[in-house]
Amino acid sequence: AQSVAQPEDQVNVAEGNPLTVKCTYSVSGNPYLFWYVQYPNRGLQFLLKYITGDNLVKGSYGFEAEFNKSQTSFHLKKPSALVSDSALYFCAVRDSYSNYQLIWGAGTKLIIKP
Amino acid sequence: ETGVTQTPRHLVMGMTNKKSLKCEQHLGHNAMYWYKQSAKKPLELMFVYSLEERVENNSVPSRFSPECPNSSHLFLHLHTLQPEDSALYLCASSQELAGREQYFGPGTRLTVT
Repeated sequence: AQSVAQPEDQVNVAEGNPLTVKCTYSVSGNPYLFWYVQYPNRGLQFLLKYITGDNLVKGSYGFEAEFNKSQTSFHLKKPSALVSDSALYFCAVRDSYSNYQLIWGAGTKLIIKP
Repeated sequence: ETGVTQTPRHLVMGMTNKKSLKCEQHLGHNAMYWYKQSAKKPLELMFVYSLEERVENNSVPSRFSPECPNSSHLFLHLHTLQPEDSALYLCASSQELAGREQYFGPGTRLTVT
């Protein structure tokens, strides 16, 4: 079955430290992978995606993600966390059967402490 | 207005009421989506429209009825809802249906009493 797992409900990081939000997936064929962020009382905002090419993808607000095919992972990273990065982060992968549906993770709450 | 807008932002309705949620996208996209977001659960895709044609109805109860009069507007008509339908309802759009990132509205926080 196709799935996305975000193993951590919450990640706590001190401001200025590097952060990682983990995502693993299981789909057939080549994955299309996405990261979205949701700030309180807001909709989701697209951060970045991987479709093909370089395994390191750069996105908005200084975030990047590394695609690792052998580990079926797509972890979100940032070298130096800001308090304003505190939000809910969602990983998603395109459903390879429907070609347009996204399979979503349950989300990871990121808390950056000053 | 830019991006994807949704109205109302908050809605409280009784189980016997009829109400509608509205979504409008100003991005020139061809595909629109309705999602249900409940706490600590993955987003649930409810309906998908492409070029005003419905392409997906993910086993959603008939008390939810979508309408897409044109490529910029999407409605979700609600009637005889249940308390478990209380959630954040998100509208999204994408340039085309396959493999594209989606752009979300701020959502409607629905409470069914």
